[in-house]
Amino acid sequence: GQSLEQPSEVTAVEGAIVQINCTYQTSGFYGLSWYQQHDGGAPTFLSYNALDGLEETGRFSSFLSRSDSYGYLLLQELQMKDSASYFCAVRPHNTGGFKTIFGAGTRLFVKA
Amino acid sequence: EPEVTQTPSHQVTQMGQEVILRCVPISNHLYFYWYRQILGQKVEFLVSFYNNEISEKSEIFDDQFSVERPDGSNFTLKIRSTKLEDSAMYFCASSRGTSGRYNEQFFGPGTRLTVL
Repeated sequence: GQSLEQPSEVTAVEGAIVQINCTYQTSGFYGLSWYQQHDGGAPTFLSYNALDGLEETGRFSSFLSRSDSYGYLLLQELQMKDSASYFCAVRPHNTGGFKTIFGAGTRLFVKA
Repeated sequence: EPEVTQTPSHQVTQMGQEVILRCVPISNHLYFYWYRQILGQKVEFLVSFYNNEISEKSEIFDDQFSVERPDGSNFTLKIRSTKLEDSAMYFCASSRGTSGRYNEQFFGPGTRLTVL
């Protein structure tokens, strides 16, 4: 089967750096994506790692290591507006790439 | 900036009734999806649609569900006979492709379905 594990909650202070981990068990997938979701809102795409290594987009970076079945999202210079849920997601090979499986999400609380 | 739109924003229905949730994906996108999210839980894949047919569906997407692209712009999800457990937020999404940067899915604002 396929599963993605994330911490349920993370708390950090404004201006700090926080890392949200995602470990997975899946036979193979096309890449690891990250989405942000504010309360009552829709998921919005943040980042995608097709290959191992680090991808940087402004204050957000994402990392993937297929050999370790592990990835993470790094948020720098935290702002209050970063308080949201963050989901990692994969498209498994055995579904032709059309199906996206989301992790349970990590709720980030940013405190002043 | 182009966006995915969904109507209605909130639908209340009686158990056993049929509902149709509507979506207008981004115009140059080729892949369309429906997801649901029960309050406080994760986003769950329901179905993907490409080239006017279902390309993949989950175990949730049983015979009570159907999707249609009746014209060049709308994409609908029909639930034939709603159950209490169908109460959730339903998100439509679209993407240009399924690989690389085109894999990015754009989500609509969602339709909150409440089954009484």
